[in-house]
Amino acid sequence: NAGVMQNPRHLVRRRGQEARLRCSPMKGHSHVYWYRQLPEEGLKFMVYLQKENIIDESGMPKERFSAEFPKEGPSILRIQQVVRGDSAAYFCASSLTPDSNQPQHFGDGTRLSIL
Amino acid sequence: LAKTTQPISMDSYEGQEVNITCSHNNIATNDYITWYQQFPSQGPRFIIQGYKTKVTNEVASLFIPADRKSSTLSLPRVSLSDTAVYYCLVGGYSGAGSYQLTFGKGTKLSVIP
Repeated sequence: NAGVMQNPRHLVRRRGQEARLRCSPMKGHSHVYWYRQLPEEGLKFMVYLQKENIIDESGMPKERFSAEFPKEGPSILRIQQVVRGDSAAYFCASSLTPDSNQPQHFGDGTRLSIL
Repeated sequence: LAKTTQPISMDSYEGQEVNITCSHNNIATNDYITWYQQFPSQGPRFIIQGYKTKVTNEVASLFIPADRKSSTLSLPRVSLSDTAVYYCLVGGYSGAGSYQLTFGKGTKLSVIP
């Protein structure tokens, strides 16, 4: 399967712990996007990265959230000192180019639950 | 970023053709129209994308009138497995230069036996 791979699929953390979500884009794709989805809602854009660069983080909360996409390895979304409100499904997408005519392809998400 | 409006829910019987219409009155010149399907506990799955007129692939057709202010996703002969949420998306370039997709609540399609 050459699709977008996310792991873990489910992650449980206690308040105050750190959560690390990983995303491997489709083969050949160097543009990665992270989205968050609350129950019964649509996906909300968080951040867009290219290899080693954050291009647009306008949807990221100002504190506790960070993202990276290193030269080697998957993209990581990191949430420090998690709170109950961070419980959501986090989706990663990748595309061949960042242009409007290139569809983004999504992984199956990581469901984060905060106890 | 262009906003889209689509019905909240639709019901259809198995074997029927389903048409879901989406309005996007402030679509920009360089925007494409993209439709996704999402099942519970899964990520959105790309269905089809178009710019104008008609686009057809193995699963759906997309009809876009000349003014591009609306689009219609057509699913031929739906089956129970087509029960899902369907999102119509028109993205837009943010101030930071990235092309962002804005998801609404989508249309929840229920296929009835």
